[in-house]
Amino acid sequence: DAKTTQPTSMDCAEGRAANLPCNHSTISGNEYVYWYRQIHSQGPQYIIHGLKNNETNEMASLIITEDRKSSTLILPHATLRDTAVYYCIVRYSGGSNYKLTFGKGTLLTVNP
Amino acid sequence: DAGVIQSPRHEVTEMGQEVTLRCKPISGHDYLFWYRQTMMRGLELLIYFNNNVPIDDSGMPEDRFSAKMPNASFSTLKIQPSEPRDSAVYFCASSPQGAGAFFGQGTRLTVV
Repeated sequence: DAKTTQPTSMDCAEGRAANLPCNHSTISGNEYVYWYRQIHSQGPQYIIHGLKNNETNEMASLIITEDRKSSTLILPHATLRDTAVYYCIVRYSGGSNYKLTFGKGTLLTVNP
Repeated sequence: DAGVIQSPRHEVTEMGQEVTLRCKPISGHDYLFWYRQTMMRGLELLIYFNNNVPIDDSGMPEDRFSAKMPNASFSTLKIQPSEPRDSAVYFCASSPQGAGAFFGQGTRLTVV
């Protein structure tokens, strides 16, 4: 699986948009970008995933650059409950190979 | 669906004892993952299954660890004999093909 690079930590004001970047310059054509988050003491929570088109759901938006070498997760109106570690994962999707490997992630702190 | 169900939520055992962690995946999900999380090493993938068949167990730390999936609705992770360094939170997750994985609440294991 392609390696990802994320900032160690970020801060965001409550009510503002949180933009979390991820670099995945070695991504290959059949690898998807997945985002998860982990709130303290809970299991990781799936947020969103995409291949090359931008995606949006009730939780967040995912913007993938045209060359697919980086992406940004956007939380449009961050709340205090969005404080968590956010993981960007590149995951191969072919046959039965569906390995899901977590890195260190970005600790997002939403401040009042 | 109740989500991924893990039991027990907490386990305290003495060094040398056998420990069995249990997981009930979400019905209809093809993939099941076992992870271990510690402060030092983060989230580590131990093993994952596709349609009850182990696909990749390269993350299993040593022969003391074993995992089984006898049917689509049940999996176990066994540690025999347990050691203090096995203390961690163990997560089980399940996923359908081509979608995000859903995690259980984890089992906090303490080996004294």
